[in-house]
Amino acid sequence: AQKITQTQPGMFVQEKEAVTLDCTYDTSDPSYGLFWYKQPSSGEMIFLIYQGSYDQQNATEGRYSLNFQKARKSANLVISASQLGDSAMYFCAMRGPAGGYNKLIFGAGTRLAVHP
Amino acid sequence: DSGVTQTPKHLITATGQRVTLRCSPRSGDLSVYWYQQSLDQGLQFLIQYYNGEERAKGNILERFSAQQFPDLHSELNLSSLELGDSALYFCASSVVSGGPGTEAFFGQGTRLTVV
Repeated sequence: AQKITQTQPGMFVQEKEAVTLDCTYDTSDPSYGLFWYKQPSSGEMIFLIYQGSYDQQNATEGRYSLNFQKARKSANLVISASQLGDSAMYFCAMRGPAGGYNKLIFGAGTRLAVHP
Repeated sequence: DSGVTQTPKHLITATGQRVTLRCSPRSGDLSVYWYQQSLDQGLQFLIQYYNGEERAKGNILERFSAQQFPDLHSELNLSSLELGDSALYFCASSVVSGGPGTEAFFGQGTRLTVV
């Protein structure tokens, strides 16, 4: 069965510093996709970054990068130069063949607080 | 703005009632997904439609049903509502039906409160 684990219920970081949000996943399938979403207090889900299981390089999108360690089954999100607006819930998610690639399986999320 | 529109944004209703949540996908997207976010269950996949046909089903209760219309908008019907159905209901859309890299764009959600 596919599963996403986010072990950090809450994290805080000082403004302008970098922070890493942990995500581990469990799947026996070779082909899968990993996603990170941000959910601000307003509630919407905002796509941040994607990593495919066959991608050779770690994904990057602006201040977001994904530290993909396939052997460890981890896909940690790194936010560089944190801003106050980064305070939100962050969800790691996976799409894989066990669900017919039709659904995203989400972790429980990590609440990030950025302090000035 | 993701381009996915959900209405209404908030809904308060009594137990036993029936409600309909509406979703308009991004222009050009054929696939619509419904997710439920609750405090105890987290984010759970409910159901997916692709070009009018049901494609995948998740943890959707029998009291819930959905459909996708020819203009590709979708509706999620929740009936015989219980207090435990209170949650944030998301609609998401994507161009294709599946594949590991299929990016889903989420609407702002409908917050349902059952009293």
